[in-house]
Amino acid sequence: DVKVTQSSRYLVKRTGEKVFLECVQDMDHENMFWYRQDPGLGLRLIYFSYDVKMKEKGDIPEGYSVSREKKERFSLILESASTNQTSMYLCASSFSDRGRIGYTFGSGTRLTVV
Amino acid sequence: KNQVEQSPQSLIILEGKNCTLQCNYTVSPFSNLRWYKQDTGRGPVSLTIMTFSENTKSNGRYTATLDADTKQSSLHITASQLSDSASYICVVRGDSNYQLIWGAGTKLIIKP
Repeated sequence: DVKVTQSSRYLVKRTGEKVFLECVQDMDHENMFWYRQDPGLGLRLIYFSYDVKMKEKGDIPEGYSVSREKKERFSLILESASTNQTSMYLCASSFSDRGRIGYTFGSGTRLTVV
Repeated sequence: KNQVEQSPQSLIILEGKNCTLQCNYTVSPFSNLRWYKQDTGRGPVSLTIMTFSENTKSNGRYTATLDADTKQSSLHITASQLSDSASYICVVRGDSNYQLIWGAGTKLIIKP
């Protein structure tokens, strides 16, 4: 089975801290994604990457940056954490099989900014 | 505007009963529609993927339907079990590999 591993299940950070969320996948997938999930809202795409060192903004990139130095690792960076970035963060990777895109998600990181 | 709306927001049923969750979408162009199950504190896991030409698809006790004309989908769960308690999310893919429009989900609680 494909595994997408997020380094932390729970994080508590202070306002203004720089925060790194790490995600690693073990199946050589080209594409990786970072979403945030808030109550009552659908998942919202922050950034995605379709290759090493390549990144694209999603729907809500403000306040975030990403890094993809190796194919298996996709990092989300909060340059200066704010309370409105308290959320569940989900990493995903995807493959394409005969045109169908399959997504595998990590277990999520619940970040609280105080 | 591309949107995916799900109903009901939450649902409580007794173990063993059937239920149906609804998804309406306005995404255009349409590539496919997916249903995910998300257990509390976990990432979403895919249940079904349906393309334009598929009307019904089953995965065990889960049966998804798609009416591309009316832009509606449903997820029917038969003989519910306590382990079915989760959020069920409808997701529609648009015209790019990366454009997924997510519904807010239906929270399903199965009571013994």
